[in-house]
Amino acid sequence: AQKVTQAQTEISVVEKEDVTLDCVYETRDTTYYLFWYKQPPSGELVFLIRRNSFDEQNEISGRYSWNFQKSTSSFNFTITASQVVDSAVYFCALSETTGNQFYFGTGTSLTVIP
Amino acid sequence: DVKVTQSSRYLVKRTGEKVFLECVQDMDHENMFWYRQDPGLGLRLIYFSYDVKMKEKGDIPEGYSVSREKKERFSLILESASTNQTSMYLCASSLLLQGPPTDTQYFGPGTRLTVL
Repeated sequence: AQKVTQAQTEISVVEKEDVTLDCVYETRDTTYYLFWYKQPPSGELVFLIRRNSFDEQNEISGRYSWNFQKSTSSFNFTITASQVVDSAVYFCALSETTGNQFYFGTGTSLTVIP
Repeated sequence: DVKVTQSSRYLVKRTGEKVFLECVQDMDHENMFWYRQDPGLGLRLIYFSYDVKMKEKGDIPEGYSVSREKKERFSLILESASTNQTSMYLCASSLLLQGPPTDTQYFGPGTRLTVL
């Protein structure tokens, strides 16, 4: 079973629209980390955010915001007033207490149309 | 800033060749990882290492081996390249915390390998 599910394979929005990328995870651990990465066309994965399982506060960084809800095992990512430079593949990932590896979702490809 | 570099951005090899992919990080990280990325499959872990000369198999180690002789360098080796190993290969590193979960991984730019 997938530990991290990103159900949206591709999303297209028009510039300045808001867009939310969904991430649902599965774990039995009480301590874990959740991450979001951005992969622009150049290919390098860029770290965006890490969230500790004990911290359910929402996070805002400029036009980016993250909504972490343990009750629904979700860690959704919203881009406000999207720009063409936001076009990329976005990955959600989980790191558990057991083991020493990440579990990545299959990614959501976001295209922002000018 | 963490810097992870990979020896090549693009590589073309022939079936049966031995292929070396090199990864170097400059942040004194204990953990290093090799992934391959394929459309629709996301990132899949091939091998990782948490110390010099130590290695652990990931989800898809078949057809690959690794080498970690120095802390900053982690090599991925394709002993006899095959066409189904055509893929994007990504290297990452992270700190080894006192305990899990694994800390943030920082990625290199990737190597797009084509095996003909």
